[in-house]
Amino acid sequence: SQTIHQWPATLVQPVGSPLSLECTVEGTSNPNLYWYRQAAGRGLQLLFYSVGIGQISSEVPQNLSASRPQDRQFILSSKKLLLSDSGFYLCAVDGNNEKLFFGSGTQLSVL
Amino acid sequence: AQSVTQLGSHVSVSEGALVLLRCNYSSSVPPYLFWYVQYPNQGLQLLLKYTSAATLVKGINGFEAEFKKSETSFHLTKPSAHMSDAAEYFCAVSSGGSYIPTFGRGTSLIVHP
Repeated sequence: SQTIHQWPATLVQPVGSPLSLECTVEGTSNPNLYWYRQAAGRGLQLLFYSVGIGQISSEVPQNLSASRPQDRQFILSSKKLLLSDSGFYLCAVDGNNEKLFFGSGTQLSVL
Repeated sequence: AQSVTQLGSHVSVSEGALVLLRCNYSSSVPPYLFWYVQYPNQGLQLLLKYTSAATLVKGINGFEAEFKKSETSFHLTKPSAHMSDAAEYFCAVSSGGSYIPTFGRGTSLIVHP
């Protein structure tokens, strides 16, 4: 079964600073990968998904970008963080029968 | 297009009482439906899923959900709540050949002694 490594677990960054969150997956090849953000009271929002190396689809316009340099690596980035980028970021991978496996998440606080 | 509505951002029950978390969906094609649970500061874990087999689906930790097409609902239930059930619960739908699920806003289950 898949294993998802997501780091860091928590991050405090000043407004205007860059961001890089990394997610790696083990136990599968050519997976579909996802970045979700969970903000207080807003549920789970899909930010990006990727069906292969270098293929990124963005679901919402925002201050963030994503890249997939390797088959099992998915990176979420920003050049300049905003206060509104604060939230809990989750990486996920498609499992069998359409279900998703989630990483343990990164709690990002932008101050 | 697909969407999910979870009625009630918070549900409070006593330990031992029935748990009922509501989920209604909208989908133009037969859906796949999911319930996920999230414990504090953790990712989401799959509780159960419906993929057009039996309409009553049994999941982990004693939870089950019933797919009702006429009501476009997929409510989650558990006969007797435990303190350890306190968590955030998310309903999700995927359909139309796309495995990308749409999640509801979540329902926080509070269990008090």
